[in-house]
Amino acid sequence: GAVVSQHPSRVICKSGTSVKIECRSLDFQATTMFWYRQFPKQSLMLMATSNEGSKATYEQGVEKDKFLINHASLTLSTLTVTSAHPEDSSFYICSAREVPSDYNEQFFGPGTRLTVL
Amino acid sequence: GNSVTQMEGPVTLSEEAFLTINCTYTATGYPSLFWYVQYPGEGLQLLLKATKADDKGSNKGFEATYRKETTSFHLEKGSVQVSDSAVYFCALRGISGAGSYQLTFGKGTKLSVIP
Repeated sequence: GAVVSQHPSRVICKSGTSVKIECRSLDFQATTMFWYRQFPKQSLMLMATSNEGSKATYEQGVEKDKFLINHASLTLSTLTVTSAHPEDSSFYICSAREVPSDYNEQFFGPGTRLTVL
Repeated sequence: GNSVTQMEGPVTLSEEAFLTINCTYTATGYPSLFWYVQYPGEGLQLLLKATKADDKGSNKGFEATYRKETTSFHLEKGSVQVSDSAVYFCALRGISGAGSYQLTFGKGTKLSVIP
């Protein structure tokens, strides 16, 4: 099946710094990528949807200036958490879809654990 | 809005026991329903799905039936194995407030199977 990787798997940073998380589709071209956030014992919450070559669409309540998403190529999307604070500590998961059809399956990455000190 | 409620875990079973993980949903329209599984250290994988009422999804011995009358999609397996230990997520794909199709997930249920 299709494989999606995330890097890094874990990151610890100081408050006020920025952290970049990469999401790659390894064996297919992802026209659409999704970024989710998961709190402990909570469900995955969709943060934003990005289509290659266009601006991301953010969900209500997600600060677009804080969570910068770039989907510059068909195999790579990045999420940058700017000026991170302890409340940004969470598990971030990306997923990718090969074609624009809403009915196509999403393939998920293994997630990135962010801890902000 | 759309929402998914699944039974809270963790669930601990002995090998070969019967498994049921309950899942109910609230959605507008006619959503598609999914079960995803996340093994330790890996990403979510699609386990099975059903796209319309009375459909039964099945895979690897797991089954779930789309029950519109009870808005449920309970996951079952007749005889679990140690290798089934994972976190299971129920999800629906429906139209969001923004008018696009999106996945809405339950909180996940951690299953541990002991020999």
